[in-house]
Amino acid sequence: GDSVTQMEGPVTLSEEAFLTINCTYTATGYPSLFWYVQYPGEGLQLLLKATKADDKGSNKGFEATYRKETTSFHLEKGSVQVSDSAVYFCALGVANQFYFGTGTSLTVIP
Amino acid sequence: DGGITQSPKYLFRKEGQNVTLSCEQNLNHDAMYWYRQDPGQGLRLIYYSQIVNDFQKGDIAEGYSVSREKKESFPLTVTSAQKNPTAFYLCATTEGGLTDEQYFGPGTRLTVT
Repeated sequence: GDSVTQMEGPVTLSEEAFLTINCTYTATGYPSLFWYVQYPGEGLQLLLKATKADDKGSNKGFEATYRKETTSFHLEKGSVQVSDSAVYFCALGVANQFYFGTGTSLTVIP
Repeated sequence: DGGITQSPKYLFRKEGQNVTLSCEQNLNHDAMYWYRQDPGQGLRLIYYSQIVNDFQKGDIAEGYSVSREKKESFPLTVTSAQKNPTAFYLCATTEGGLTDEQYFGPGTRLTVT
């Protein structure tokens, strides 16, 4: 069935380090892909999205490219900040359903 | 300001009591959702509604009930039949279909003792 799998955390990085959080998906049809971010005690906020193959979503220095050949949508940021500490969720929308990954906790230390 | 309001932020109840969580939106979105989030886990869908007066069970509907009498409102009742109700509850909306971008409220943390 349709699903999304993201790398397990927690991830701890030093400030200004490069970030990659892996996300792969399984889907029949043509999914839309999303990354959401959740700060402690808050709801989820959309970080970026891509609706078709080869699209690149970007926001606040984060990027992810919809790769159909590898069924992936990895989240990257060139230089993380302490304020990026949060939980990141990969998500998939397809065939009238919406699926979330289990979340990856990121802590950035000064 | 358009958005989704969930109240209260924190809610405490005794075991055996029903409790209703509020979700209101002024985004004019058709679809609304309730999710449950447990510590260190992802989101699990409880109920969703695509139009007024209609709603569907999600993956973990047992012990919960909802109503959708108005487009703006989608309250969730956690009944005494829910075995483990302590969790963080999130309400979300989408403008159109179920595969669209979801907009989330700030959440309600329910503690049942």
